[in-house]
Amino acid sequence: DQQVKQNSPSLSVQEGRISILNCDYTNSMFDYFLWYKKYPAEGPTFLISISSIKDKNEDGRFTVFLNKSAKHLSLHIVPSQPGDSAVYFCAASARNTGKLIFGQGTTLQVKP
Amino acid sequence: DGGITQSPKYLFRKEGQNVTLSCEQNLNHDAMYWYRQDPGQGLRLIYYSQIVNDFQKGDIAEGYSVSREKKESFPLTVTSAQKNPTAFYLCASSLFTNTEAFFGQGTRLTVV
Repeated sequence: DQQVKQNSPSLSVQEGRISILNCDYTNSMFDYFLWYKKYPAEGPTFLISISSIKDKNEDGRFTVFLNKSAKHLSLHIVPSQPGDSAVYFCAASARNTGKLIFGQGTTLQVKP
Repeated sequence: DGGITQSPKYLFRKEGQNVTLSCEQNLNHDAMYWYRQDPGQGLRLIYYSQIVNDFQKGDIAEGYSVSREKKESFPLTVTSAQKNPTAFYLCASSLFTNTEAFFGQGTRLTVV
C-alpha cells in the first residue's frame, strides 16, 4: 500500500520556467511533509518542509504548497535551472508513529 | 564536522551470508532510519528508531535486523533470509520525529 505517491515519473522543463512536482498521500495522520533532491548513488538532500498547520512555505526559489483536504502537496521551483536536474522525492511523517515515508520520486530535467 | 556516516560505500557478499551495514551520526539526533532503494524505485522504509534502545519495523523489515544500543549508532544486518538483498541502502537521522532527516551517502550491497 503506497501511502505517498508521485504519479509522474519524469518532468522536463525549459530553463527559466517553473517546475511543478506533485505528490499525493493517503494517510490522514501525516502531519509533516518534506521534499528531497537526489543524485544517483548519493543520499537525498533536504530541500524544504511544511507542517500540516500551514498551507505554504517558501525558501528562495522553492515553494511547497499543501492542500490537506485533497491530501496533495506540490513543489514549485522558479526559475528552474539546469543544476536542478535530479530526482525529487516527497516524504511524509506522522508524529504519533515516527515513520517517515517516501514517494517513488520524479526525475526532473531542466533543459538549457 | 557533524554528519551521518555510512560504511562501507560498496560491499560484496556471497549468497547465504549475513552482512552488517554501519551507520553513525554525531548530530545528537534521537531518530534514525534505514531505507532501501532499488533501481528506478523510491525509498522503502526498513526499520526506524525514535529513541535509543527502541526501534520499530518499517514496511519491508523481513530479512533484516537492527539494534540501537547507542544514540549515535544504528547498524543494519541483512540476513540470509532476505531474498533479494542486492540494493542501495540509505541511513538517515533526524533530531526527533517531524523534523528534517539527513542522509548518509549510502552503501551499495551486492550479493553474488
